[in-house]
Amino acid sequence: QQKVQQSPESLIVPEGAMTSLNCTFSDSASQYFAWYRQHSGKAPKALMSIFSNGEKEEGRFTIHLNKASLHFSLHIRDSQPSDSALYLCAVSINRDYKYVFGAGTRLKVIA
Amino acid sequence: EAAVTQSPRNKVAVTGGKVTLSCNQTNNHNNMYWYRQDTGHGLRLIHYSYGAGSTEKGDIPDGYKASRPSQENFSLILELATPSQTSVYFCASGDPGQGWEQYFGPGTRLTVL
Repeated sequence: QQKVQQSPESLIVPEGAMTSLNCTFSDSASQYFAWYRQHSGKAPKALMSIFSNGEKEEGRFTIHLNKASLHFSLHIRDSQPSDSALYLCAVSINRDYKYVFGAGTRLKVIA
Repeated sequence: EAAVTQSPRNKVAVTGGKVTLSCNQTNNHNNMYWYRQDTGHGLRLIHYSYGAGSTEKGDIPDGYKASRPSQENFSLILELATPSQTSVYFCASGDPGQGWEQYFGPGTRLTVL
């Protein structure tokens, strides 16, 4: 069964810093990779996805994917206090997007 | 934006009692999902559905049943609730034909005493 692990468990960064969140997965057949963000007391919300090796940038957010290393990451440039949230990575083998989620990284950005 | 609603938002149940959590989506998505979220475990898939009349077991189905009577509605049923089922439950909808995202409801906080 697919195992998805995130590191670190929690992170505190100053406003304006670069933040890096990591996700590893166990099944090399995995094809679809996503990040969700969950503010405290709220529902998870889709943030970004990537489906092929390499890098994808959307505004301040960048995803890196290395399938051979079973690893992908989320990088947040110029981190803001509003970025403070629980970040969940998600992995799917098939295009049905039935994800297995990691346990999350709790990010706090201090002004 | 996609709309998923859940009821009730909070529920206190007694051990051995029956609990039904309801979910409604107005996006005409084919797929619906039930997750529970516990500290240290992230989101774990309980049951999911590909459309009206279909239910499939997720990764942690024991102690739960699901029902999908229509495209819009998906229920999670705990026939004999136990304290270990105390958690926050999220419903989500999605449609691979439309995109990779799942859209989540606001969650139900269930406490089993």
